[in-house]
Amino acid sequence: EDQVTQSPEALRLQEGESSSLNCSYTVSGLRGLFWYRQDPGKGPEFLFTLYSAGEEKEKERLKATLTKKESFLHITAPKPEDSATYLCAVQAWAGNTPLVFGKGTRLSVIA
Amino acid sequence: DARVTQTPRHKVTEMGQEVTMRCQPILGHNTVFWYRQTMMQGLELLAYFRNRAPLDDSGMPKDRFSAEMPDATLATLKIQPSEPRDSAVYFCASGSDSREAFFGQGTRLTVV
Repeated sequence: EDQVTQSPEALRLQEGESSSLNCSYTVSGLRGLFWYRQDPGKGPEFLFTLYSAGEEKEKERLKATLTKKESFLHITAPKPEDSATYLCAVQAWAGNTPLVFGKGTRLSVIA
Repeated sequence: DARVTQTPRHKVTEMGQEVTMRCQPILGHNTVFWYRQTMMQGLELLAYFRNRAPLDDSGMPKDRFSAEMPDATLATLKIQPSEPRDSAVYFCASGSDSREAFFGQGTRLTVV
């Protein structure tokens, strides 16, 4: 069974304090790993897709990286507007498989 | 600006009543998902469709939940009868050829 575990559950940072969120996964052949951002009362918003180990993607202060067992979302010099829940999801190659999500990391950035 | 549209945004209903949630996927997307989100369980897949055909609804309580795609522009999720434990946020998402899924704003359901 495909599984995604995210850590920590919650993270509180001072503005400008860089950190990383972790997403560990178990999947029977990774087709893609996805990062989403979710603000309170809204639907998840797509950020990145990573397809193979060693791949990296960047967007503003966020950089996502991928290994064969985990992905990291690095946040450099975060701002209060980066506060949100960050969700990781995986999709397997086998058959017609949907995205399997982790429970997310709640990030709070304090000014 | 292409987006997934869900209605209603909020629904409060009494236990035992029927609830229908609607979703308009992004034009051209051939995959539609229904997820349920709670604090305890996070995002759980209820059902998904490709080219309007149901592929997996194993996450759905079959005795009370049903999901359909009457046409390419409409997906529905129905609960009958509703129970308090069904209270959650229900999300519809659409995608194309197993790539990333784009989510709607959700329907917040409260069953009292």
